Amino acid sequence: GENVEQHPSTLSVQEGDSAVIKCTYSDSASNYFPWYKQELGKGPQLIIDIRSNVGEKKDQRIAVTLNKTAKHFSLHITETQPEDSAVYFCAASMRTSYDKVIFGPGTSLSVIP
Amino acid sequence: DGGITQSPKYLFRKEGQNVTLSCEQNLNHDAMYWYRQDPGQGLRLIYYSQIVNDFQKGDIAEGYSVSREKKESFPLTVTSAQKNPTAFYLCASSHWGQGNTEAFFGQGTRLTVV
Repeated sequence: GENVEQHPSTLSVQEGDSAVIKCTYSDSASNYFPWYKQELGKGPQLIIDIRSNVGEKKDQRIAVTLNKTAKHFSLHITETQPEDSAVYFCAASMRTSYDKVIFGPGTSLSVIP
Repeated sequence: DGGITQSPKYLFRKEGQNVTLSCEQNLNHDAMYWYRQDPGQGLRLIYYSQIVNDFQKGDIAEGYSVSREKKESFPLTVTSAQKNPTAFYLCASSHWGQGNTEAFFGQGTRLTVV
């Protein structure tokens, strides 16, 4: 089955710097890659997603890149702000008999003012 | 406002007891899911349901049971057979088979065995 790895597990950056979180997946049939942000005591919320027919997607300060050959995808946050501090999860899924989403273990991002 | 609601936020269970976690959504989503979250292990799928009166086991279903009698509701029962139930439980819902697999999550229930 699909396995998603995520690095680093914790990340601290100064406010205004960029943050990069990297994920790898094992199943080449995966074709949908969402990223979720989880604030303390809350449920995860989708922040950006990318499909396998696209190499890069941007939404203001957030961008995601996908390398299907290497089975890598990454989240880039530019001009980080304290409110970006949260746990970020990458995920991968396939459109097969059901939409099974496999999550990575998460990255705890701290943005230092 | 549309959304997905979990209750209670905190739940304490004595060993040997069954407890039921509530999950309700008014997003008109067909699919609903239960995940368990442990530190450093991401989200693991317990059960999911595509339509009313149907549900399937996820990766860690042992010791759990669910029902889907209404489209809006997908309660999870943690039974006494679950040996390590202390965790954060998340319910989610999504559309089914429409090309958009974004999952909307509830705020979670933190279950502690005392």
